[in-house]
Amino acid sequence: EVQLLESGGGLIQPGGSLRLSCAASGFIFNNYAMTWVRQAPGKGLEWVSATSRSGDRTYYADSVKGRFTISRDNSKNTLFLKMNSLRAEDTALYYCTRGVGAVGAPGYFHGMDVWGQGTAVTVSS
Amino acid sequence: DIQMTQSPSSLSASVGDRVTITCRASQSIVMSLNWYQQKPGRAPKLLISGASSLQSGVPASFSGTGSGTDFTLTISSLQPEDFATYYCQQSYIAPYSFGLGTKLEIK
Repeated sequence: EVQLLESGGGLIQPGGSLRLSCAASGFIFNNYAMTWVRQAPGKGLEWVSATSRSGDRTYYADSVKGRFTISRDNSKNTLFLKMNSLRAEDTALYYCTRGVGAVGAPGYFHGMDVWGQGTAVTVSS
Repeated sequence: DIQMTQSPSSLSASVGDRVTITCRASQSIVMSLNWYQQKPGRAPKLLISGASSLQSGVPASFSGTGSGTDFTLTISSLQPEDFATYYCQQSYIAPYSFGLGTKLEIK
């Protein structure tokens, strides 16, 4: 069964750091681009970051650029999101997702077809 | 960055109705438009990619059209399980932005 299992969320003070993990199973991990998407309580979806199959190309939303870093360990089928300088507005449920196609080149990415259940991040003092 | 404008933000309809949700991109995204369905407390589900390609297992009552900047999602005959929130997303170029969503409610 294709599965994504996020972990690492929790309550963190403003300015703090957190690292989210996503364990993938049931598919060949290094054949797929991967992304993170978040959803603040009661709000819509916000795309956060993406990484290519090998991890050599990464992309970020303006709202997290310079503070968040996406990475992957293909030997362990795991995706990461390191979040620094956290703000109250980063409070959200963070979803790990599997991408369809290749990120970066215009028109070659076709959305996200597998989603985890999410890990909750709360930034508050 | 590409902005996605989705309308309406909410919609009331009855079982059996035909409904249409629209999504407009701030610049041409060719056909790189995806639609997702999200039910309360659940992760989103990819319904349609590439503007019109139905994902495996998605009922044929769902269809997508459009190219360039204007896109539509149509549900031809609403079923009880279709009441949910729908999001469009452009995947032409990063950042891969979403629309704000359309909440489809039972009338």
